[in-house]
Amino acid sequence: KQEVTQIPAALSVPEGENLVLNCSFTDSAIYNLQWFRQDPGKGLTSLLLIQSSQREQTSGRLNASLDKSSGRSTLYIAASQPGDSATYLCATIPSAGGTSYGKLTFGQGTILTVHP
Amino acid sequence: GAVVSQHPSRVICKSGTSVKIECRSLDFQATTMFWYRQFPKKSLMLMATSNEGSKATYEQGVEKDKFLINHASLTLSTLTVTSAHPEDSSFYICSAWGGEGPYEQYFGPGTRLTVT
Repeated sequence: KQEVTQIPAALSVPEGENLVLNCSFTDSAIYNLQWFRQDPGKGLTSLLLIQSSQREQTSGRLNASLDKSSGRSTLYIAASQPGDSATYLCATIPSAGGTSYGKLTFGQGTILTVHP
Repeated sequence: GAVVSQHPSRVICKSGTSVKIECRSLDFQATTMFWYRQFPKKSLMLMATSNEGSKATYEQGVEKDKFLINHASLTLSTLTVTSAHPEDSSFYICSAWGGEGPYEQYFGPGTRLTVT
């Protein structure tokens, strides 16, 4: 059974810092890995999706990398802003087929606070 | 990205009553929808997978008679919490997948259910 772990559980940084959020997973047989953002009391916003054949994806100040063989992904946020404060979740989807078809397995999330 | 809506966003009901939550994909046809439950400061827990025109598949430990799921069309899935109790109070989130591409799921904004 896939287990996804995110470190740290919480992170507080001053505005402008570059930061890295970590995600690890136990089963490397994934189809893709997705990073989400969740604001308090809200749904999930997809930030980046990395397919298993890819090594990284970039969107604006965000860069996500994937090392499938070691079961790790990182989300890099450049020049952090107070508006980046949220919970960041990573999730994996297993390789196609079987009863786990399409099912996301989530990590516990990293609560990020960027203070002015 | 694709848009998924949920209605209502918040609902308060009395113990013993039933509550229906709707999940709609607004600009694409969702062959599969997923229903999640999220407890405070916890990650998302998959409850069930809903495929259009067929019975939902429930995760272990989720009572199918308690949480009725209907996916009658390619743009609408409903979750009905029957005979609700205070312990059913939670944040319910749906996601939708169009059945193509890298299994990217799009999430609704969530529904906050409070059972008094």
